[in-house]
Amino acid sequence: QMQLQESGPGLVKPSETLSLTCTVSGGAITSSSFYWAWIRQPPGKGLEWIGNIYYNGNTFYNPSLKSRVTVSADTSTNQFSLYVSSVTAADTAVYYCARSDFQKTGTIQAHFDSWGQGTLVTVSS
Amino acid sequence: DIVMTQSPLSLPVTPGEPASISCSSSQSLLHTNRYKYLDWYVQKPGQSPQLLIYLCSNRASGVPDRFSGSGSGTEFTLKISRVEAEDVGVYYCMQGLQTPPTFGQGTKLEIK
Repeated sequence: QMQLQESGPGLVKPSETLSLTCTVSGGAITSSSFYWAWIRQPPGKGLEWIGNIYYNGNTFYNPSLKSRVTVSADTSTNQFSLYVSSVTAADTAVYYCARSDFQKTGTIQAHFDSWGQGTLVTVSS
Repeated sequence: DIVMTQSPLSLPVTPGEPASISCSSSQSLLHTNRYKYLDWYVQKPGQSPQLLIYLCSNRASGVPDRFSGSGSGTEFTLKISRVEAEDVGVYYCMQGLQTPPTFGQGTKLEIK
């Protein structure tokens, strides 16, 4: 069974770039069945989809964040990463990486059936 | 963006009793392929969200059959036939029809 684990700094200064990595174990991110996603949850609030990536580099982003977000994948290390530039306090959240099994639904943005434990990123000086 | 609205936001339930959560979408979630792109997730205390239901009415792997999902194009329901103590958590609906996928505000289920 695939497992996902987020890693990265827990504290980022305003205006800097947030960088997180998701390490996938128990399977390859090159599987043709899955897209890989980042989803965040501000403290005490609901869930917000950030973006998805396929192992070949195809990406899809939330339009509200697209100008500041980059998602990339490294098949050699079985990891995918999130970069959010020019962060503010509003970017403080628990960041989750997740897997979307698009063969179950025919879409790349549903059926998030495996999630990391999440990592809290605080934006503060 | 498609707006997802859940009710109630808080749901106290006696163990063994049924529970129902409603979710409405600002646009129909019915695709031309006849699938309804509506997922249900539960976030138990201190945990990551986990998938319960996909495509409106399909239980995810390992989900007990006391959970069921139903709905039309814009109105959806998650039902728990007999609530157990382990069902405590926040339940979210999510639409996957249009980018970006969007979540409801969440319904907090608690045990009376």
